[in-house]
Amino acid sequence: QKEVEQNSGPLSVPEGAIASLNCTYSDRGSQSFFWYRQYSGKSPELIMSIYSNGDKEDGRFTAQLNKASQYVSLLIRDSQPSDSATYLCAVPGSSASKIIFGSGTRLSIRP
Amino acid sequence: DGGITQSPKYLFRKEGQNVTLSCEQNLNHDAMYWYRQDPGQGLRLIYYSQIVNDFQKGDIAEGYSVSREKKESFPLTVTSAQKNPTAFYLCASSISPGTSRDQPQHFGDGTRLSIL
Repeated sequence: QKEVEQNSGPLSVPEGAIASLNCTYSDRGSQSFFWYRQYSGKSPELIMSIYSNGDKEDGRFTAQLNKASQYVSLLIRDSQPSDSATYLCAVPGSSASKIIFGSGTRLSIRP
Repeated sequence: DGGITQSPKYLFRKEGQNVTLSCEQNLNHDAMYWYRQDPGQGLRLIYYSQIVNDFQKGDIAEGYSVSREKKESFPLTVTSAQKNPTAFYLCASSISPGTSRDQPQHFGDGTRLSIL
């Protein structure tokens, strides 16, 4: 089993709808979770960090963490064409300072 | 403005040639990383360094070498032993791993390496 798993997509969502991106992880001891956005040809950009069970909201983005189910998700409300990108889930690895990245979910917002 | 600077943006390598990719950060971060990304693929860790004068191999270190002589700098050399070097190379940094909470990594803009 991969340490961090994401559906590769593409996930197609109509403009204005909610996009839901999911990520599961294998290390029950993980304490920190990160979401990155990567536009085509660009480097990843950190958009959300979450450390506690529950929801964390930042503008149109909400990160949801369920440690019991080893599941973290990212919701994007009022999706815009500019949200079309690949979203990477990241979880710290077992070695100090290493982060394990999922392979990413490609999101496409259709007008 | 603090950040991570990678240079050059584009680099071409001839057969049998070593090339060095530059990564400089002024964020005062202790840890630095090099990743490789192939088209449509995820990030693969090449090397990482938690402190000056120390570094560890990642998952795909063969054919690559690094140095960490200064806190701000973590150059990556792609040697002639790396037979398939064409990829997007990303440098990242993070706050010291000694903090109580794992810290995210922040990325430079990347270097795109191709074979001539």
